[in-house]
Order: sequence, then C-alpha cells, then structure tokens
Amino acid sequence: DTGVSQDPRHKITKRGQNVTFRCDPISEHNRLYWYRQTLGQGPEFLTYFQNEAQLEKSRLLSDRFSAERPKGSFSTLEIQRTEQGDSAMYLCASSLDWRDTEAFFGQGTRLTVV
Amino acid sequence: DAKTTQPNSMESNEEEPVHLPCNHSTISGTDYIHWYRQLPSQGPEYVIHGLTSNVNNRMASLAIAEDRKSSTLILHRATLRDAAVYYCTISGGGADGLTFGKGTHLIIQP
Repeated sequence: DTGVSQDPRHKITKRGQNVTFRCDPISEHNRLYWYRQTLGQGPEFLTYFQNEAQLEKSRLLSDRFSAERPKGSFSTLEIQRTEQGDSAMYLCASSLDWRDTEAFFGQGTRLTVV
Repeated sequence: DAKTTQPNSMESNEEEPVHLPCNHSTISGTDYIHWYRQLPSQGPEYVIHGLTSNVNNRMASLAIAEDRKSSTLILHRATLRDAAVYYCTISGGGADGLTFGKGTHLIIQP
C-alpha cells in the first residue's frame, strides 16, 4: 500500500466552474478526513467519514462544498460554482478507526481558481 | 476545541537537540496532545501523541507538563530533514477533527 492517494495533484479552473477531487485512503482505513489549507496556515478541518457515513459536515465552508464516500472506500470532494477564495490545498487523510490517533495524509490537491 | 499556542519559528543547528514548545491551557482532562509535522509540498505527517505521561518513539519525545497546560516536542538530534512546520493539536481522542494552528516553522542550520 502506497499511502493516501489524491487526484488530481493540481487543478486550475475558471471561476464559476465545478470541480471534484478524489481521495483513495489506505486500505481498510475506516475513517476518512478532508482538510483545506491556505498559504501560511495550518490545515482546516472540513468533514469526515466513518465508512460511508458522513459524521460531521457542519464545518464544510459553505453549501457549495459537498463530500461523498459512497462505498466506504474512496471519497470525493466537490466544490460548485468555484470562487477565487476557494484557491487552496485540499488534503485528505485516513485512519484505521475511531481509536486510532494517527492520521495519514495524502499530498493534497492544489486548486487555483482564476 | 482547545486552542494551542506555538512560536512562529525556531532555529537550531544540525545534530543538536531541539525543544518545540506548545501551550494548551484550555485542554480538558480527556484531551490528547498530538504533534504533526509538514515538510514542504507534503501533507502533514504524524509525529507523536500523548495524554498525561511523557512519550518516546523513533521520531521524537513528548514531554507533558504535570498540569497538562503545556507540552514540548523534543527532537534529540536534528537533521536537515527535520526542517518543517510542526503542529501541536488537541483532540478528544483519535484523529477526528484535528484543529491545526499556524505551527512552528523549524529551521535547521548545517
């Protein structure tokens, strides 16, 4: 297993377009997390899943943001009607289960909205 | 979430020990202290975590104050590869919803 994989690594999109990012967690990791990181700041928690169940979504930044994990394996994060302020690094992480204190992060998807 | 305070940056020399402080005065009795680091162009990487007792692993040591309001990450012998942003974060257990501040930018001089 090569760790948490994110695709694409970079995405440039025009304002107003929709974008979708994919995250493949480490096999058998039940927890999956999405974070956003802007320049000079630490990662900001967005949402997380236990298998296919989304346990927390109140910290998604707006209703333009949504995430899914339909089969409890890979996850997608969608941003609709992108704005320039959405430009950031989007990070995915996974952990084995609720007791596991170690989260493994992917390398992120860097989004640039022009 | 308990808030953490860390120095913006620290500098050390290669092969010397480094002590990275973190204040978390609002920590609750069941909160864990986690440390992650982020190398340039990488996602964060787990370093260590603890609850009350000092902890050691292959990467570092974690010294936790008796009142748990502060902790110190200790790199025993820094290398150039340890240059990164180090984040101290608090959670109720597990890795759920970790809240990262700006962290400490550690600079290692050869």
